[in-house]
Amino acid sequence: EDKVVQSPLSLVVHEGDTVTLNCSYEVTNFRSLLWYKQEKKAPTFLFMLTSSGIEKKSGRLSSILDKKELFSILNITATQTGDSAVYLCAVNPNTGNQFYFGTGTSLTVIP
Amino acid sequence: DGGITQSPKYLFRKEGQNVTLSCEQNLNHDAMYWYRQDPGQGLRLIYYSQIVNDFQKGDIAEGYSVSREKKESFPLTVTSAQKNPTAFYLCASSIWGANEKLFFGSGTQLSVL
Repeated sequence: EDKVVQSPLSLVVHEGDTVTLNCSYEVTNFRSLLWYKQEKKAPTFLFMLTSSGIEKKSGRLSSILDKKELFSILNITATQTGDSAVYLCAVNPNTGNQFYFGTGTSLTVIP
Repeated sequence: DGGITQSPKYLFRKEGQNVTLSCEQNLNHDAMYWYRQDPGQGLRLIYYSQIVNDFQKGDIAEGYSVSREKKESFPLTVTSAQKNPTAFYLCASSIWGANEKLFFGSGTQLSVL
């Protein structure tokens, strides 16, 4: 059974801290892994990862994939209150176009 | 602006009632999806459709029905057979193919009266 597990489930940090969110997966015929940020309603796209070891970066956010160990991490440096959100990890297997989501990590950044 | 529009934002259902959630996209995407989001459980796939007049059950299709008569529209009906319908429902779309991403609507919160 395809499975995506995120950890931790929730996290509270102070502004300026660095956080690492984890996503591990078990999928048949992996195609891609995606990260989304959900602040209130609609999840917004952050990164798509398809190859191991290649870091994707956007401002203070970065992400990397390890296809051998079947996990990805999302790093946020110098956190701000605007980073408070639920971060979702999704995996797209190479069978159709379904996406399997983890439970999400709820991040709260305190001023 | 291109995007996905879900309506209504909030919906209340009485016992034994069927309700329909609307989802419209103007991104010219082939594929459309319905997800259910419960606290602590992430997103679970209800139904998806690759092309017009074709759709497939996801992991939790029981108690739900869909139609895909137009490329732009993928309405979801929550039937009276769905005994625990209170949840946040997200519609999404994508280009059908390798390495594509999902675009989401703003969601509908369904509650039972």
